[in-house]
Amino acid sequence: ELKVEQNPLFLSMQEGKNYTIYCNYSTTSDRLYWYRQDPGKSLESLFVLLSNGAVKQEGRLMASLDTKARLSTLHITAAVHDLSATYFCAGRTGIQGAQKLVFGQGTRLTINP
Amino acid sequence: NAGVMQNPRHLVRRRGQEARLRCSPMKGHSHVYWYRQLPEEGLKFMVYLQKENIIDESGMPKERFSAEFPKEGPSILRIQQVVRGDSAAYFCASSRSTGRSGNTIYFGEGSWLTVV
Repeated sequence: ELKVEQNPLFLSMQEGKNYTIYCNYSTTSDRLYWYRQDPGKSLESLFVLLSNGAVKQEGRLMASLDTKARLSTLHITAAVHDLSATYFCAGRTGIQGAQKLVFGQGTRLTINP
Repeated sequence: NAGVMQNPRHLVRRRGQEARLRCSPMKGHSHVYWYRQLPEEGLKFMVYLQKENIIDESGMPKERFSAEFPKEGPSILRIQQVVRGDSAAYFCASSRSTGRSGNTIYFGEGSWLTVV
């Protein structure tokens, strides 16, 4: 059974700093998703990582995937207040035609001026 | 192309009543998923449906909860005899397929159920 764990669960940082959120998963997952959620809102898709070594960047966010280590990271560069949100990673599990996402607990990121 | 549409967005029910949540997937998507998010927690898988079929309901509580995705019309998550512990945000998601072309799963805005 796929389990996904994120750390840290809470992260408070200052604007302009860099930080990384880690996402470990327990068994094989053929892809890894990152989502952002603002309070009371839905999930916004950030990245889908499909293969070992995949790296994707969008603005100040960069995600990477190491399938051998079963680890994905979300790196934040020079944080700005607008990035304050909860970030979820999710792995995909199940047989072909019956797959589902398994989410981590989420990382609540607060960026202070 | 409208996104995943859920309604109602907010629903208040008294204990013992029924809650019915609706989800229209994105155009061209035939796969629908329901997830539940309790306050301050992550999303938990409930059920995965394709048109007229339940593919995986391993996350559904054994009693009071049911889901359907008819040939015509939206997917419906039904909760009978609601209790306070059912208070949560219920998210619907859809995808085109689960193969390589179905990389992205899109989420709806969610339905927030409050049981009083």
